[in-house]
Amino acid sequence: EAGVTQFPSHSVIEKGQTVTLRCDPISGHDNLYWYRRVMGKEIKFLLHFVKESKQDESGMPNNRFLAERTGGTYSTLKVQPAELEDSGVYFCASSQDFTEAFFGQGTRLTVV
Amino acid sequence: AQRVTQPEKLLSVFKGAPVELKCNYSYSGSPELFWYVQYSRQRLQLLLRHISRESIKGFTADLNKGETSFHLKKPFAQEEDSAMYYCALIKPNAGKSTFGDGTTLTVKP
Repeated sequence: EAGVTQFPSHSVIEKGQTVTLRCDPISGHDNLYWYRRVMGKEIKFLLHFVKESKQDESGMPNNRFLAERTGGTYSTLKVQPAELEDSGVYFCASSQDFTEAFFGQGTRLTVV
Repeated sequence: AQRVTQPEKLLSVFKGAPVELKCNYSYSGSPELFWYVQYSRQRLQLLLRHISRESIKGFTADLNKGETSFHLKKPFAQEEDSAMYYCALIKPNAGKSTFGDGTTLTVKP
């Protein structure tokens, strides 16, 4: 069974540019989560999808971040325009129920 | 709001020594507690959860509601245990995890 897949693994962009991160969850997992780890800090929750609906987006830092989950399958997280403080590792996770989450390998975003 | 605290950012022990990674939490209800591990160049993966009460790779963790702790222990550390360890809390039926800052464990030969 394929795990959670994230693309790209690394992205380096200039301040002001747009970046779109993609996450393909495990097939059949209704729950999809986005998390972020900023350098030296804890992994912080961004938002939670149940199928295509946003269940909880309380962790989204500001309106420069937009997450979508088309048809309840893969999800994208777009940052527009990117700022220096957006640099970090973005993790996606999926779960079948509300317990164990399976994580992707993460996307390392560097904004210069 | 719930919070997870891992007081040690770095922990270093010698192979064969006991190791304990501390985790304290604050939450008014009955949370579900997990330990996740990230080995070098690998993805974050579940190590163990308190409800299963199992031992994985020699690690155990007991939920102490009185002390609001969920410390991770192993009696004899191995070099392959070197990794980043995260303690996490999930509110029942909520799904999202609250993570601690993580502890980097180094097991020296």
